[in-house]
Amino acid sequence: DGGITQSPKYLFRKEGQNVTLSCEQNLNHDAMYWYRQDPGQGLRLIYYSQIVNDFQKGDIAEGYSVSREKKESFPLTVTSAQKNPTAFYLCATNLDTEAFFGQGTRLTVV
Amino acid sequence: KQEVTQIPAALSVPEGENLVLNCSFTDSAIYNLQWFRQDPGKGLTSLLLIQSSQREQTSGRLNASLDKSSGRSTLYIAASQPGDSATYLCAVKLGSYIPTFGRGTSLIVHP
Repeated sequence: DGGITQSPKYLFRKEGQNVTLSCEQNLNHDAMYWYRQDPGQGLRLIYYSQIVNDFQKGDIAEGYSVSREKKESFPLTVTSAQKNPTAFYLCATNLDTEAFFGQGTRLTVV
Repeated sequence: KQEVTQIPAALSVPEGENLVLNCSFTDSAIYNLQWFRQDPGKGLTSLLLIQSSQREQTSGRLNASLDKSSGRSTLYIAASQPGDSATYLCAVKLGSYIPTFGRGTSLIVHP
């Protein structure tokens, strides 16, 4: 079935570590997005990519990095510069029309 | 900048009630509006997408309406069931811009 796969489902990060969240899609969609969701907050846009080898910063890009080497993949790296990374991270595609979301990755700092 | 507000933030109702969830937005020049459902610890699932030229969309027990002039959309859930318990979010898209999401309405339907 077509869809978006995010992995891992749960991720624990030690202080000072970089971690990478995976997002893979087989929907053949050009545009992919990363959101952060905190309790009681709406979705906040971190980065987005509308085409391979191109990406743009969202509203809260500081402390994060992305790459878009393949159409199917849009990994997000949470760097040590992100001081409050504990949150639920969501990957999405196709926000211009009917949007598709992955099942999310919950990142916790230990 | 588009602002999207969802009222109420939380709602608890007995099974069988008909519900109305509200989504208001500040810029009426929208391209489309989408309603989503989110179960705890899960991603978002698209429920209904209303294009700017449409007034409403229906899917099963769900009906979403759009009134651009008043900057409002409502999601109507008929004959609510415990399985409808989730958070409902709306997202409003302006032209070529990224959609803006509301904070959601957390719904509990108790037996």
